Amino acid sequence: AQSVAQPEDQVNVAEGNPLTVKCTYSVSGNPYLFWYVQYPNRGLQFLLKYITGDNLVKGSYGFEAEFNKSQTSFHLKKPSALVSDSALYFCAVRDDTGGFKTIFGAGTRLFVKA
Amino acid sequence: EAGVTQFPSHSVIEKGQTVTLRCDPISGHDNLYWYRRVMGKEIKFLLHFVKESKQDESGMPNNRFLAERTGGTYSTLKVQPAELEDSGVYFCASSRTQGYNSPLHFGNGTRLTVT
Repeated sequence: AQSVAQPEDQVNVAEGNPLTVKCTYSVSGNPYLFWYVQYPNRGLQFLLKYITGDNLVKGSYGFEAEFNKSQTSFHLKKPSALVSDSALYFCAVRDDTGGFKTIFGAGTRLFVKA
Repeated sequence: EAGVTQFPSHSVIEKGQTVTLRCDPISGHDNLYWYRRVMGKEIKFLLHFVKESKQDESGMPNNRFLAERTGGTYSTLKVQPAELEDSGVYFCASSRTQGYNSPLHFGNGTRLTVT
């Protein structure tokens, strides 16, 4: 069965510092991994995805994510955090044996302090 | 292009009443998904339409929930009768293709409170 774990409910970081939001996953087949961001009272917005190829994926707003197959992880990173990055971040996965539904984690709230 | 639209944005109903949520996907998006998030928990899959057909309804919690997508355009999700545990935010999402690498486009959600 597919599952996603986001071990941190909240991540706090100072503006200008690097940030990491953690995600691990479990799938039966080949993973297709996504990160989404949710701002208050809005729907989720797609940030980036990993399909195959380079383990470091670049996405919107300067975010990137590192895929690690041996650790089954897909951590979201940004070299220099902005206050405007404060939001709720969701990691998600599909695999090629589980139909086309996307499985989401519980979300991690990122708080960037000025 | 216009995004995914959900109506209403908020709904407060009493236990035992009926509520119908509506989703208008992005024009041309054949794939439509319903999800639900209960406070602080993961976003749970409910079901997936391809055009007007239910592709996967494995996440529907019970027969009090009925989803339809007549004509393959907008979709409705009816809860009848509502129970307290049905409270949460219901998200609709759409995608043009059914590929594994297709990201989802989400609406702003409907916050349902059952009292």
